[in-house]
Amino acid sequence: AQSVTQLDSQVPVFEEAPVELRCNYSSSVSVYLFWYVQYPNQGLQLLLKYLSGSTLVKSINGFEAEFNKSQTSFHLRKPSVHISDTAEYFCAVSGPIPNYGGATNKLIFGTGTLLAVQP
Amino acid sequence: ETGVTQSPTHLIKTRGQQVTLRCSSQSGHNTVSWYQQALGQGPQFIFQYYREEENGRGNFPPRFSGLQFPNYSSELNVNALELDDSALYLCASSADGLQYYGYTFGSGTRLTVV
Repeated sequence: AQSVTQLDSQVPVFEEAPVELRCNYSSSVSVYLFWYVQYPNQGLQLLLKYLSGSTLVKSINGFEAEFNKSQTSFHLRKPSVHISDTAEYFCAVSGPIPNYGGATNKLIFGTGTLLAVQP
Repeated sequence: ETGVTQSPTHLIKTRGQQVTLRCSSQSGHNTVSWYQQALGQGPQFIFQYYREEENGRGNFPPRFSGLQFPNYSSELNVNALELDDSALYLCASSADGLQYYGYTFGSGTRLTVV
């Protein structure tokens, strides 16, 4: 069965500093990985995804994540954060739904990491 | 292109009551999934509908049920509400065969059971 671990529940960082949000996954099948961001009182927005190909994927707002199969990780990084990056970040893996023949998939989320950017 | 819209945004119900939450999927999307996000937790998969049929269900009791309509909008019904049902309920839609490309989520319905 698939699972996702986000060990850091909260990461405080000063504005313009670099940040890394850690994500480790467990999966016995082909892996599709996602990072979602949730701003206060809002739903989830897709930040970036890894499906195949290049192991380094980037978002339009400066975030990047690297798929590392040997370490089963998909850490999220940004070289310089802004106050507006303050939000909850969720790592997720796509996995088959049990008893449904593998034809359909669901997202399995980690418990989230609150990125708190301070001035 | 409209996104995923959910209604209502907030709801307060009493234990034992029934509730219906609604979701309009993004234009062109025929698959709808529902997730429950308890406070401080990641979203948990409830079930998924594809072309009006349930084609996937998570570890939730039968008192959680759903519908998908011909226009691909969807409802989540919860009977015999319990205090632990208090959570943010998220609806997500995707296009046929594109689940791997990421779902589009709505802003959610915050349900409080008292």
